[in-house]
Amino acid sequence: DIQMIQTPSSLSASVGDRVTITCRATQDTSNFLAWYQQKPGKVPNLLIYGASTLQSGVPSRFSGSGSGTDFTLTISSLQPEDVATYYCQKYNSAPFTFGPGTKVDIK
Amino acid sequence: EVQLLESGGGLVQPGGSLRLSCAASGFTFSSYAMSWVRQAPGKGLEWVSSFSGVGSTTYYADSVKGRFTISRDNSKNTLYLQMKNLRAADTAVYYCAKGIQLWFGGDYWGQGALVTVSS
Repeated sequence: DIQMIQTPSSLSASVGDRVTITCRATQDTSNFLAWYQQKPGKVPNLLIYGASTLQSGVPSRFSGSGSGTDFTLTISSLQPEDVATYYCQKYNSAPFTFGPGTKVDIK
Repeated sequence: EVQLLESGGGLVQPGGSLRLSCAASGFTFSSYAMSWVRQAPGKGLEWVSSFSGVGSTTYYADSVKGRFTISRDNSKNTLYLQMKNLRAADTAVYYCAKGIQLWFGGDYWGQGALVTVSS
């Protein structure tokens, strides 16, 4: 089965910083790659699908890139409300595996 | 407005059974794949099972295969997860999620149902 590897597992950055999270799949996902944000105690929220398409209503400081097996989620200017855990997920074929998550907080 | 409302969670003894339901509204339920995703306390998201929108194809994580059964009733706009032979490791919040466009994944999520397996 395909494994989803996220790095880093956690990070601490200052408000306004550019933040990058990486997700690597052990096999080609055909760009069926989604990014979710989960704030503490809340339901996961879809940010990006198709590797780079911003979900409606998501702030434009979030962006996704990559193809095949290597993907990136970027927050261009970190805001206090972005404190959350971020997950990638492949959804092209089962199993629809999630990455282990990246916890982001404010320095 | 898309809404997903899970029900049926609770406390169950190891080896017991439970059925979760997810009532959907605000979209054409029959057209979309639906999934169950769980999150154990303090842990990450784990995909559990999915049901295709077109056709009747079901998918299961290895951790639940043979114990859990996903089903849907398009006339009632409801997704189900029948869970049998429950283990302590199945303790989690179970979310249902609507597929992204006509694919899998989840663009809308329910609030979750807590399942606790304990004696």
